[in-house]
Amino acid sequence: GENVEQHPSTLSVQEGDSAVIKCTYSDSASNYFPWYKQELGKRPQLIIDIRSNVGEKKDQRIAVTLNKTAKHFSLHITETQPEDSAVYFCAASGSYQLTFGKGTKLSVIP
Amino acid sequence: DAGVIQSPRHEVTEMGQEVTLRCKPISGHNSLFWYRQTMMRGLELLIYFNNNVPIDDSGMPEDRFSAKMPNASFSTLKIQPSEPRDSAVYFCASSSGISGNTIYFGEGSWLTVV
Repeated sequence: GENVEQHPSTLSVQEGDSAVIKCTYSDSASNYFPWYKQELGKRPQLIIDIRSNVGEKKDQRIAVTLNKTAKHFSLHITETQPEDSAVYFCAASGSYQLTFGKGTKLSVIP
Repeated sequence: DAGVIQSPRHEVTEMGQEVTLRCKPISGHNSLFWYRQTMMRGLELLIYFNNNVPIDDSGMPEDRFSAKMPNASFSTLKIQPSEPRDSAVYFCASSSGISGNTIYFGEGSWLTVV
């Protein structure tokens, strides 16, 4: 089955700096790569996703890149703000099942 | 739309008791998922239903766990008997398709077994 590795597990950045979270996956058949943000005590919520026919996607301060050859994808957050502090999960899917990474706890220091 | 609705939001129960978690997926969604989240193991898929039929239950940890989906708008996850190691957040999620469709999570059921 699919295996998703996510790094780093924790990340601290100063407000205004950029944050990058990286994931690798094992199943070359995977073609859908969403990112979820989970605030403390809340549910995971989709923030951005990318499909295998696209190399990069951007939504305001958030961007995701995908390298299918290397089987890795990354989340980039620019101009970080305190409200970006949360746990971020990457996931990969080739069928019905989303396989999640272990999560990255992002702390944005004011 | 009200989103995925789960109940109870919080439950504390004694070891050995039966626990039933409930879920109402988003109307029109034909895929339903039960996930378990713990610090140690992260988000794990327990079972997946498509059109009310269980497709993959390989993530169900053991026979103490069972799940049903009697109709398109209701699912249950039952633990009998419960054990302290079952303490976790259980999320129900739904989506409108199979591959490449966004999965929407409910608020979760926070289970503590003492």
